[in-house]
Amino acid sequence: KNEVEQSPQNLTAQEGEFITINCSYSVGISALHWLQQHPGGGIVSLFMLSSGKKKHGRLIATINIQEKHSSLHITASHPRDSAVYICAAQTYKYIFGTGTRLKVLA
Amino acid sequence: DAGITQSPRYKITETGRQVTLMCHQTWSHSYMFWYRQDLGHGLRLIYYSAAADITDKGEVPDGYVVSRSKTENFPLTLESATRSQTSVYFCASSESEQGVNYGYTFGSGTRLTVV
Repeated sequence: KNEVEQSPQNLTAQEGEFITINCSYSVGISALHWLQQHPGGGIVSLFMLSSGKKKHGRLIATINIQEKHSSLHITASHPRDSAVYICAAQTYKYIFGTGTRLKVLA
Repeated sequence: DAGITQSPRYKITETGRQVTLMCHQTWSHSYMFWYRQDLGHGLRLIYYSAAADITDKGEVPDGYVVSRSKTENFPLTLESATRSQTSVYFCASSESEQGVNYGYTFGSGTRLTVV
């Protein structure tokens, strides 16, 4: 079993929909990261969380340390949000999930 | 330009050849990392470095060599390339304070094909 599991693996949404991507981890962490990888391949760091909730524009990330679970929400989704979203658990190293491929249709 | 730069972006090489992937960062971040990304796997750590002249193995180090003679450079060498090393390679850097790493900054990746 992977130490970091994401769901769903693939997600197709219509423009404007509210999207949730989930990340569960089984290790003790110092932080949880959400990354975005665009079709061109570049990887961008979206959030680093150790508790609670963070918001940046239409993106919201939450974490529940007791349940070892984090979610990434996208409000009013747009085709430009189409990307692979990766969560990573930070221990003494980083453990990456395999990613959620999101496609937002116009 | 400020940032983290990988070169080349694309490389095709033959089995058995030595190939070096370059990574250069301009922030003077302490930590640098090399990952490979393959279908069905998350990013997997190959090697990392906490400072100049300090390197350590990650999850999948076999067949790779790194060096860090200067803080800003962290080249990754495949000593004798194999087809299983066909992958996309990402370099990343991070600052650290009191043992806590801050968020990563990733390079654009190098797509390596071994034929």
